[in-house]
Amino acid sequence: QQPVQSPQAVILREGEDAVINCSSSKALYSVHWYRQKHGEAPIFLMILLKGGEQKGHDKISASFNEKKQQSSLYLTASQLSYSGTYFCGTEEARDNAGNMLTFGGGTRLMVKP
Amino acid sequence: DTEVTQTPKHLVMGMTNKKSLKCEQHMGHRAMYWYKQKAKKPPELMFVYSYEKLSINESVPSRFSPECPNSSLLNLHLHALQPEDSALYLCASSQKRTGTSSSTDTQYFGPGTRLTVL
Repeated sequence: QQPVQSPQAVILREGEDAVINCSSSKALYSVHWYRQKHGEAPIFLMILLKGGEQKGHDKISASFNEKKQQSSLYLTASQLSYSGTYFCGTEEARDNAGNMLTFGGGTRLMVKP
Repeated sequence: DTEVTQTPKHLVMGMTNKKSLKCEQHMGHRAMYWYKQKAKKPPELMFVYSYEKLSINESVPSRFSPECPNSSLLNLHLHALQPEDSALYLCASSQKRTGTSSSTDTQYFGPGTRLTVL
């Protein structure tokens, strides 16, 4: 079952902040965040592991609440280059021979000047 | 270098054709993946290879046949496809995966092959 992302779409003015949420009904081991621009490959942003950690890179940060199976991506002072579709990919807490990611439906973000 | 390359970039094929998609990485990654992505939808996992062995097949129809000739190369052989198989096919790789859930790796995606089945 794929994780649920919200909102489905958001429009920002340059410099505004945004939060994208990802929620799963399954026990998760990790959450992976990607951004994909139209016609391009998904670009890796960050991984969060269970343990309630937070990570940040430049003006993009994320948190993972393993008790609630929820992750949030925070975009601060958005730039035009942040436009694209954001996907969370969740990895369930189980053994397997390859880390299987199930992607959420995506959040389309548009940053306007 | 975190590059995964895919060829061809675009492919148009008839329902009776046989074609292959190719994916290559030289990062020393030992896990490779095929995903299918329809327009405005998330990527859907098709196959996972771990140490050149097929480890996961997500109930993909037999008209899709993966092959991993060596640790750097991943192919997807296509035969008798249907128009609904038209999509962006993405390849990804990650460093390694142990047999337990004690580690996780970043998956790096290639640019994809846009497939149209007529």
